[in-house]
Amino acid sequence: ILNVEQSPQSLHVQEGDSTNFTCSFPSSNFYALHWYRWETAKSPEALFVMTLNGDEKKKGRISATLNTKEGYSYLYIKGSQPEDSATYLCASYSGGGADGLTFGKGTHLIIQP
Amino acid sequence: NAGVTQTPKFRILKIGQSMTLQCTQDMNHNYMYWYRQDPGMGLKLIYYSVGAGITDKGEVPNGYNVSRSTTEDFPLRLELAAPSQTSVYFCASSYETSVLAQYFGPGTRLTVL
Repeated sequence: ILNVEQSPQSLHVQEGDSTNFTCSFPSSNFYALHWYRWETAKSPEALFVMTLNGDEKKKGRISATLNTKEGYSYLYIKGSQPEDSATYLCASYSGGGADGLTFGKGTHLIIQP
Repeated sequence: NAGVTQTPKFRILKIGQSMTLQCTQDMNHNYMYWYRQDPGMGLKLIYYSVGAGITDKGEVPNGYNVSRSTTEDFPLRLELAAPSQTSVYFCASSYETSVLAQYFGPGTRLTVL
């Protein structure tokens, strides 16, 4: 069983500020790292899926990086807006004959106006 | 295109009762998954399927059964409900393995009393 760890558990950020948070995962047998955005009363929505060491992906003000050798990924939000308030989940896929993701507990982000 | 749909949205069961959580996707995805979400925990994989007629256990399969008779449907069965099965259940699908993003349904909130 993989352990995927996310930090911090929760984060309060002023509107307009930039922020980032971390996902760490076991680097052995790595196949893919997923980031999902989960708003209250909705279902998780995919932000990024990254597979290669050094991958960087961007969607609007949100970007992510991946280091598979040391087993971590960062998610960055530039110029936070109230609509960025959500829980951000990361999940790792290690292949090995079994499918499905191992999720971290998430980082709960609150943007304060 | 409805994506992934789940029924019911909410359900209260008595200990020992049985029920089936329904999940349907209309994206012609081969892979389907069932996760449960407990407070303060990450999503945990219960069962998954890589195609019609093929299912496999995830991290927490005890107390559940699944079937996959069609590409579209992946029901989750609880035979003898227990309080430990109180949780929010999410169904997800993806076109191929977990190197691709998963699409989540809206969830079923189940309480066992």
